Amino acid sequence: DSGVTQTPKHLITATGQRVTLRCSPRSGDLSVYWYQQSLDQGLQFLIHYYNGEERAKGNILERFSAQQFPDLHSELNLSSLELGDSALYFCASSVATGGRTEAFFGQGTRLTVV
Amino acid sequence: GQNIDQPTEMTATEGAIVQINCTYQTSGFNGLFWYQQHAGEAPTFLSYNVLDGLEEKGRFSSFLSRSKGYSYLLLKELQMKDSASYLCAVRDHGGSYIPTFGRGTSLIVHP
Repeated sequence: DSGVTQTPKHLITATGQRVTLRCSPRSGDLSVYWYQQSLDQGLQFLIHYYNGEERAKGNILERFSAQQFPDLHSELNLSSLELGDSALYFCASSVATGGRTEAFFGQGTRLTVV
Repeated sequence: GQNIDQPTEMTATEGAIVQINCTYQTSGFNGLFWYQQHAGEAPTFLSYNVLDGLEEKGRFSSFLSRSKGYSYLLLKELQMKDSASYLCAVRDHGGSYIPTFGRGTSLIVHP
């Protein structure tokens, strides 16, 4: 158990809908990262928050947004869902961003858009 | 950004040694990570290299050559449970030090 909690574990929804994925980082970790993993793309970085502030954006679509709350948990919002958004969405946390600070991953949310 | 290359798939025999290579191109290297990921599960951290040389941790070792943009993960005394995907991730100085992951190497260990 990495200490990173993601909910829900599985989500099935229809095209055009909106969903929210939730992540609670490890106790004491200020950094939260969101990644998308699909079969043909590998782990793609979406967005990074540090202590409530957005620090970096990767290949995140405009239909997607995220935030980190004062208690450091984070939510990833996916809207106007398309079939191609079906993927595993991972949240990871780390205590900082540099040095020998590895990221610890949650178990992921498997999103299926039908 | 980074360009990371790993073999797609490798097979090996239980008890043997396997070396998984990773080559990368980056403008400002700031560390390389190896993660293990079993199918449908979360990636778990294996090793971190930022200086040239070999880091050993039990059955797993990781090597880095910054001048060659090259790393490898060495797995000894292979066990069936080592069948998994092995992800190489490179972090650079740009942006906010976000690791970029390669597509991973799927290792199949057979008896």
